[in-house]
Amino acid sequence: GESVGLHLPTLSVQEGDNSIINCAYSNSASDYFIWYKQESGKGPQFIIDIRSNMDKRQGQRVTVLLNKTVKHLSLQIAATQPGDSAVYFCAENGDTGRRALTFGSGTRLQVQP
Amino acid sequence: ETGVTQSPTHLIKTRGQQVTLRCSSQSGHNTVSWYQQALGQGPQFIFQYYREEENGRGNFPPRFSGLQFPNYSSELNVNALELDDSALYLCASSSGQREQYFGPGTRLTVT
Repeated sequence: GESVGLHLPTLSVQEGDNSIINCAYSNSASDYFIWYKQESGKGPQFIIDIRSNMDKRQGQRVTVLLNKTVKHLSLQIAATQPGDSAVYFCAENGDTGRRALTFGSGTRLQVQP
Repeated sequence: ETGVTQSPTHLIKTRGQQVTLRCSSQSGHNTVSWYQQALGQGPQFIFQYYREEENGRGNFPPRFSGLQFPNYSSELNVNALELDDSALYLCASSSGQREQYFGPGTRLTVT
């Protein structure tokens, strides 16, 4: 079936560096994408979303880029901090019949002090 | 904090038993979605409730059922528990179909 996947299971960066987390999706009908952050023992926390009629959206220290041509989504975190250490999931909402979010398997971000 | 609460936090059950998990949605949200998250994986959609009606279902057997109440809180019921049902069960609330806010989850262990 349709799926959302991530390229790298673990990403290690130095504090203060920029982080880029990538995600590939396969459902060309997807029209809405979300990035979530999940810390140990907690539920996923909404970070930023983007609709398919956009290719870039910025938040506070985060930017999401969408490339529909190659079905690729990325999350950029500027000046990464120790508090950014978590598992990051991309999710899509493209199957309107199911009205569900489809999540990838996640990327663990480790920030080294 | 999202304002979405779930109870209980942790639960241990035996194979074949039944379990009920509860979720209170964020104020103003009329849609509740349930997800199952196995260890080391992303959440998997179970089903969604909108205004007390099931509004979409994932690939889960009928022994997974739910309810939504007039105040938009929700229950997830699982009958005939199996070992593979051990997971973190997440509830997410939203106003409509888009941005979903998750609760902290209920950790279910089936022995």
